[in-house]
Amino acid sequence: EIVLTQSPGTLSLSPGERATLSCRASQSVSSTYLAWYQQKPGQAPRLLIYGASNRATGIPDRFSGSGSGTDFTLTISRLEPEDFAVYYCQQYGSSPPAWTFGQGTKVEIK
Amino acid sequence: EVQLVQSGAEVKKPGESLKISCKGSGYSFTSYWIGWVRQMPGKGLEWMGIIYPGDSDTRYSPSFQGQVTISADKSITTAYLQWSSLKASDTAMYYCASASGSSKTFDYWGQGTLVTVSS
Repeated sequence: EIVLTQSPGTLSLSPGERATLSCRASQSVSSTYLAWYQQKPGQAPRLLIYGASNRATGIPDRFSGSGSGTDFTLTISRLEPEDFAVYYCQQYGSSPPAWTFGQGTKVEIK
Repeated sequence: EVQLVQSGAEVKKPGESLKISCKGSGYSFTSYWIGWVRQMPGKGLEWMGIIYPGDSDTRYSPSFQGQVTISADKSITTAYLQWSSLKASDTAMYYCASASGSSKTFDYWGQGTLVTVSS
C-alpha cells in the first residue's frame, strides 16, 4: 500500500507570497495518477491538478504542479485571500486498485 | 453540467442501519467510477471504496472492507453507501465523487452527507 506524506502540516504565509507544498510517496507513483485537491471549511474538496501537472478546468494559472517518481510539489505563485485552505495530494495505484490521500497541508494566513 | 447530489444529513443510534445516496446527472453515469470518501471531524480525507456503475465492479479500501457496502442503480443513476450496524466512530462527513477513466482523479464531488451516530 502506497503512503503519501505531505509537508509541512501547516504553512503560515501572507497574501502575495509563494506557497510550496510537498507530497512524498512511499514508493514510485505514476505521474498520470497524481492529483491535488483544495478544500475550504464547510465545502467539498475541489480538483486542482491532475496528472501531476495539469490544471483542472477553471483553475487559475497561479496554481502549478510538478514532480515525478516519489516527490511531487504543488506551488501557488502568489497567494490570494481565497487560497487559504487545506490541500491534499492523492494517487491511484493499480495493483490492487486503490486510491490514497495524503494527510493534508493547511495554508493559513500569517 | 455534471452534478452529484447526495442525500441529507442523518442522525442514527449505534447498531442501526443506514443507506445514503449520491445521484449523478449531466454525464454518462455508467462510464465513470463513483467513489466514497470519509472525513471524520477535523480530519483528512480517506478513500473508502469505489464502484463502476456500468458493470457494478466494486473495490474497497482494506480499512473499510466488510464495514460498508457500496452499490449502484444505473437505472436511476444513483450510487449508495450503506452500513448494517453503525458505530459512534462512523460519525463523519461522507462524500461521493466521480473518477475519470483515464487519470483516475476525482473530478466532481457531491456536497457531502453528514452522518452522526449517537446514543
